Parts: sequence; C-alpha cells; structure tokens
Amino acid sequence: QSALTQPASVSGSPGQSITISCTGTSSDVGAYNYVSWYQQHPGKAPKLMIYDVNNRPSGVSNRFSGSKSGNTASLTISGLQAEDEADYYCSSYTSSSTEVFGTGTKVTVL
Amino acid sequence: EVQLVESGGGLVQPGGSLRLSCVASGFSFSRYWMHWVRQAPGKGLGWVSRINNDGSWTTYADTVKGRFTISRDNAKNTLYLQMNSLRVEDTAVYYCARVGYCSGGSCRGMDVWGQGTTVTVSS
Repeated sequence: QSALTQPASVSGSPGQSITISCTGTSSDVGAYNYVSWYQQHPGKAPKLMIYDVNNRPSGVSNRFSGSKSGNTASLTISGLQAEDEADYYCSSYTSSSTEVFGTGTKVTVL
Repeated sequence: EVQLVESGGGLVQPGGSLRLSCVASGFSFSRYWMHWVRQAPGKGLGWVSRINNDGSWTTYADTVKGRFTISRDNAKNTLYLQMNSLRVEDTAVYYCARVGYCSGGSCRGMDVWGQGTTVTVSS
C-alpha cells in the first residue's frame, strides 16, 4: 500500500487561508468517506483534527475544515495562526481493510 | 483523564523480538478498536496494525504481516504488539491510538494517542 501524496510544505501569513491536498486512489480516498487529518507538533503525539472527510472532533477549532473530490481530499485552515505551524497528515481506510497515511505536510506560518 | 501509556521499547538486535504494551485508563477500553502506528526518526507516520474491540478481527500493514501480532486483554485494559524478526527498518517511535468514531460496522478516526515508545533495531 503506497502512502497518500501530500505536498511537502505549505506556508501562509497569519490570518490567511491555506489548503493541503491528499491524493490517493480509487482503492482508498476515492472509495470511502473515511479520510482523517492529524496535526503533529515537534516531539508530540499526533492530534485528530478531522475524521470522515469533514467532521471535527469536539474541541477542534472550526478554522479547520475538510473536503473530498474523487481521489483527492483536502484540509483547509482558515484564519491561520502561529499555533497552526506543525506537520499535518491525512489518512484513509483502504479496500484491503487497512489504513494508509499521507506523506505529511509541513505548515509554516510566515 | 483518558490516557494511553505505552511501554516495552528498547534496543534490540536484528532478528530479535520485543513486546510492546499500551495500558488504557479513563475510558471503557473494551468498547474501542485500537491501532498501532509508528514513526521512524525524521519520517512520517506509518500505520502498523488494527484490532477490533473484542480482538476477533485484526489487520496488518504488508511491511509487518507475518512478523508482528496485535492482541488485547480487555480485563487488563491493555493492548499489545508482539514484534518478531525485527529489522533495522522497524526502528521507530511506536504509538498506540484509540479509534473514536464508529458507524455502519466500521470505526475511524484515531482520537486518543499515547506518548509513544521507542524501538531501536541495531547491531
């Protein structure tokens, strides 16, 4: 199972919006609405930000939103803040009943 | 407080074995599916294995299938990962994670994570 493809880095200024893409195949992202997004700060465990494409867990800011079109899912962060600087990973359920993570995206707040 | 605490990591030679443990507290462990996820030094997240709430269904990444075994003891609120035939490329921080959202017979979204335990495979 190959990793889902994410851009290596995305940057934006405070207050701006950025979007991170996550491209898979018809056997994972395109097959199910089971895409999750995780935020990871250096030296810390990942944190769930979005599940099932566009659902936010309790306590996650509504500045984070998710969507999907075909084999590509996206995470949008609006009103970018310094604390959003972190690595972000997507994940998807697959037709083999496994999970696959994305390659990861480093978000930099300029 | 909802918490997962991993242990059992360490330094092992190639071909050796280790058993990781993940003790859950603050929630009803037996109701939740669980995952193991790893992260090699300076690399991204890699999914390892999943187990359902009663231990009757397990799945593995191709890279560990046949070498690793996931299991759980709901009476002890503990998740395990038995790792055999370890390779240098298995070196990583290993996290256990709870799956938080279930519907339609499947569960998604790793909503609680442990702090990780480090496994180093080296001669």
